[in-house]
Amino acid sequence: EVQLVESGGGLVQPGGSLRLSCAASGFTFSSYAMSWVRQAPGKGLEWVSAISGSGGSTYYADSVKGRFTISRDNSKNTLYLQMNSLRAEDTAVYYCAIHDSPMATTFFDYWGQGTLVTVSS
Amino acid sequence: EIVLTQSPGTLSLSPGERATLSCRASQSVSSSYLAWYQQKPGQAPRLLIYGASSRATGIPDRFSGSGSGTDFTLTISRLEPEDFAVYYCQQYGSSPRLTFGGGTKVEIK
Repeated sequence: EVQLVESGGGLVQPGGSLRLSCAASGFTFSSYAMSWVRQAPGKGLEWVSAISGSGGSTYYADSVKGRFTISRDNSKNTLYLQMNSLRAEDTAVYYCAIHDSPMATTFFDYWGQGTLVTVSS
Repeated sequence: EIVLTQSPGTLSLSPGERATLSCRASQSVSSSYLAWYQQKPGQAPRLLIYGASSRATGIPDRFSGSGSGTDFTLTISRLEPEDFAVYYCQQYGSSPRLTFGGGTKVEIK
């Protein structure tokens, strides 16, 4: 059974940093691209960042480029999102999601349950 | 960036009725690379449809997708109580800039 468990969310002040993790199990982690998708309270879905199965290619939404860094450790079956220079508008539930191929150019097959990030003073 | 516009914003229907949800793209979505997701309150989204018309594993056949180019439709043939939720379309034809529509809420009338 595919499982994705996010962690690392919490309350952080504007300008601060957080590192999110997504522990994966139930599938061959390195064979699939992964993404982070966020959802602000009461709002729709916004794709944030993606990484290929090998980790060799990464992609970012304009809204987070230069502030967020996606990475993965295929030996630990874990996806990460390092978030720096956080802003109030980054407040959201952050989901990790699996693409259906090693390329980060497809739809999302499975989603984790999400972790809440709140940026506030 | 391809912008997806979903309509209507809210659809008020009764169980057993047919639901028709629209997703319109600002430019043509190549190879019908469009997906639909269902999200219930407090839950993560769930994949329903990919490639505009292919049902994901375990999705009941009352859900169907159609369309091409810039106009896509999700149809729920007979609404079950568990189908009342928010539905999002997503394009992946203009990768890696993956974009979602704003969502359509299907509520009980």
